[in-house]
Amino acid sequence: QKEVEQDPGPLSVPEGAIVSLNCTYSNSAFQYFMWYRQYSRKGPELLMYTYSSGNKEDGRFTAQVDKSSKYISLFIRDSQPSDSATYLCAMSAPIRNTGNQFYFGTGTSLTVIP
Amino acid sequence: DSGVTQTPKHLITATGQRVTLRCSPRSGDLSVYWYQQSLDQGLQFLIQYYNGEERAKGNILERFSAQQFPDLHSELNLSSLELGDSALYFCASSPLAGSLSGNTIYFGEGSWLTVV
Repeated sequence: QKEVEQDPGPLSVPEGAIVSLNCTYSNSAFQYFMWYRQYSRKGPELLMYTYSSGNKEDGRFTAQVDKSSKYISLFIRDSQPSDSATYLCAMSAPIRNTGNQFYFGTGTSLTVIP
Repeated sequence: DSGVTQTPKHLITATGQRVTLRCSPRSGDLSVYWYQQSLDQGLQFLIQYYNGEERAKGNILERFSAQQFPDLHSELNLSSLELGDSALYFCASSPLAGSLSGNTIYFGEGSWLTVV
């Protein structure tokens, strides 16, 4: 079993739709959860970062973490064509006084149609 | 701009050759990570360094090696290159675990390697 599972899509939605992207994980030690956006042939860009369970909102983006279900989500409201990209979830279980270990999903390809 | 700098941005080389990719982490970050991303594939973790020491290894081929120098910049050496090594190579850096700046990872823009 992979540490992190993410539906690869592709996902295609009309402009203005609400998008839901999800990941599941197996390691209960994960405490930090991240979402990255990656445009074609570019470096992944950090979108959202949450610690433990709960919700975090930033503009049109909302990240949710449910540690009891080992499930995280990213919601995009009022989706725009500029949101078309691959979205990667990531999580980490920090080891104190050393570097973190990070685990990535394979990414979900999103296309927002004008 | 993530603050992670990678050079070169693009390079084309022949099979059997050797190349070196260079990475400067964000100011203050002690950890450096290298990832490989082939066309339409996910990120494949290669190797991690923390303050000059190797900390974790992923699916890194024996033909590949890396190091982190005292000034914290890192180099990834790829030798005896094969066509299948053509990919985007990302460097990323992270603050110290447990630091107030958080536990996340920041990527550079990548080095696009084409082996012909």
